[in-house]
Amino acid sequence: DAGVTQSPTHLIKTRGQQVTLRCSPKSGHDTVSWYQQALGQGPQFIFQYYEEEERQRGNFPDRFSGHQFPNYSSELNVNALLLGDSALYLCASSLGTGREQYFGPGTRLTVT
Amino acid sequence: RKEVEQDPGPFNVPEGATVAFNCTYSNSASQSFFWYRQDCRKEPKLLMSVYSSGNEDGRFTAQLNRASQYISLLIRDSKLSDSATYLCVVYNNNDMRFGAGTRLTVKP
Repeated sequence: DAGVTQSPTHLIKTRGQQVTLRCSPKSGHDTVSWYQQALGQGPQFIFQYYEEEERQRGNFPDRFSGHQFPNYSSELNVNALLLGDSALYLCASSLGTGREQYFGPGTRLTVT
Repeated sequence: RKEVEQDPGPFNVPEGATVAFNCTYSNSASQSFFWYRQDCRKEPKLLMSVYSSGNEDGRFTAQLNRASQYISLLIRDSKLSDSATYLCVVYNNNDMRFGAGTRLTVKP
């Protein structure tokens, strides 16, 4: 039973570029949430996808967008990268909303 | 005021000690509560859900006080492997809010 997987593991981008991060949920899960975690802080909620729609969004600008596919996998896109976007990006899946979430290993993004 | 606040830590305790973490939340409509642990440079892992009646899982006990809007985590007989950051999580309306975490180091 595969857990949550994310790709890539690490990524280095330049300011102003765009990035796409990918997530496959745990088998049987239909809901995907994305988080940004800066060093020394707790994860910050970006948004959640359920039934291919964004259900809830945290306090992140429109530069952060996402998508969920019919197979429940998801992408996080970030446009016009800023140095402050450097962080660990975590994907978590659950069966429905409001349930226990299981995290993937994360993608570590560095913006130079 | 932050939506979810935790003891700042760090907590440094000897093996075998009992340690307790508290967490307060600001949204009285919050629906679900969890504790996660996170090892250095790893993803958070679910430790336990927190139920209104309180719940126990081995050496770990979680409690919820809705009236005072806080949750707690008690770890008995601490092991070296318990060293990690413990994250309090509060869920409301499709929005999971994490505390900043409390770092625990258990020493021999």
